[in-house]
Formats: sequence, C-alpha cells, structure tokens
Amino acid sequence: DGGITQSPKYLFRKEGQNVTLSCEQNLNHDAMYWYRQDPGQGLRLIYYSQIVNDFQKGDIAEGYSVSREKKESFPLTVTSAQKNPTAFYLCASSISGNNGYTFGSGTRLTVV
Amino acid sequence: QKEVEQNSGPLSVPEGAIASLNCTYSDRGSQSFFWYRQYSGKSPELIMFIYSNGDKEDGRFTAQLNKASQYVSLLIRDSQPSDSATYLCAVNNYNTNAGKSTFGDGTTLTVKP
Repeated sequence: DGGITQSPKYLFRKEGQNVTLSCEQNLNHDAMYWYRQDPGQGLRLIYYSQIVNDFQKGDIAEGYSVSREKKESFPLTVTSAQKNPTAFYLCASSISGNNGYTFGSGTRLTVV
Repeated sequence: QKEVEQNSGPLSVPEGAIASLNCTYSDRGSQSFFWYRQYSGKSPELIMFIYSNGDKEDGRFTAQLNKASQYVSLLIRDSQPSDSATYLCAVNNYNTNAGKSTFGDGTTLTVKP
C-alpha cells in the first residue's frame, strides 16, 4: 500500500541535542512538507520541497534543517537552536499541492 | 487577522443532526480549498476539496464555496459519534504559494449519541 511513514512515533530530546525525524513516502509525490502542530492550534509550515535537491523555508524554519536527496525521503533535523521543540511534527506529501496533502502518522517530540 | 479563520468551538450536535463548520480566508486569490478531519492524537486526513463556487457533495459531506464572500463551509448530514473530531480548513493560492496550504486552527466537533 502507498503511503507516508514517519518515525519514530515518539521521540525524547535532551537539552542541547540535535534529533532527526524520518519521513519516507512511496506515493511518487514530488512535493513534501513538514508542519508543526502545538496543542489546540493549527499547522505551521517549517520547510517544504517541490523537487529533489531543492527546498524552501516555511514560516517557522529557525532551529530546523532538512535535506531532499531522494524523491522518497525528506528528513527533518531539530537542532539545539530550536528553543521550544516540544510539539507534534507532521510530514505530508502531495502531487502538486492543489490536490491536497497525504499526511504521515506524525512524531511527538518532547524535550526532557 | 489570521489568513484562515475558523470558530474553535467546541461545536456540539446530537446524533443525526446536521453539523455546519465554517471557514473564512483573507487571500482573495485563493484557488483551492480543503477540509481535513483530525481525530484526537492522530494526523489529519483529507476528506473534501473544492475549487469552484457552489456545492460539492460526497456521501454525507457537502463542501460549499463562496469566493465573493471568501467563505467555505463543510456540512455533515446525519452526524454520527464517529464524526467527533477536529476539522481543519486549508487554503491554497498556487500563484503566490505554490503547493503550500495555509491552515486554520480547526473546529472541534462533538456528536452526542
């Protein structure tokens, strides 16, 4: 079955540590996105990529980094520069954006 | 003013009733409009999209779009307890935002048996 796989489902980060969230899709979608969701709030865009080897910052990119070396993969690194990283992280993909998104199951990141 | 605004709710309706969820947006050039359903603790799931003024029906769901009023709504007929979730409205202007969607904060719906 086609879909998006995010891992891990839960992640705990210590202060000053970088962590990487995985996102893999087998839908053959060109566009991939990372969103952050805080409790009771909507989704805020961190980074997006419309094609391999190219990506753009979203509204809240500070403290995050991404890569897009393969069409199927769009990992997100939460660096120590992100001061408030505790949130629900959602990866999505789309054929063109105008068709809506398919979301992964999400990663819950907690700072300990 | 937020780009996409939704009543946060909670909206509570009895089982079998019609639930009406509303969304307004500020970008008059927006072209694509989406409704996602998000169960508690889960990721969003696309349930409806609409591009043209008017109504679009899919089973118990109807999306309504009025571009002149910058308003999009979702009607759920014969509401079921399984419809209890947060509903996110999303808007896309491909000319300015490419494939990026802007999301509202969501409306939480509770359907009471």
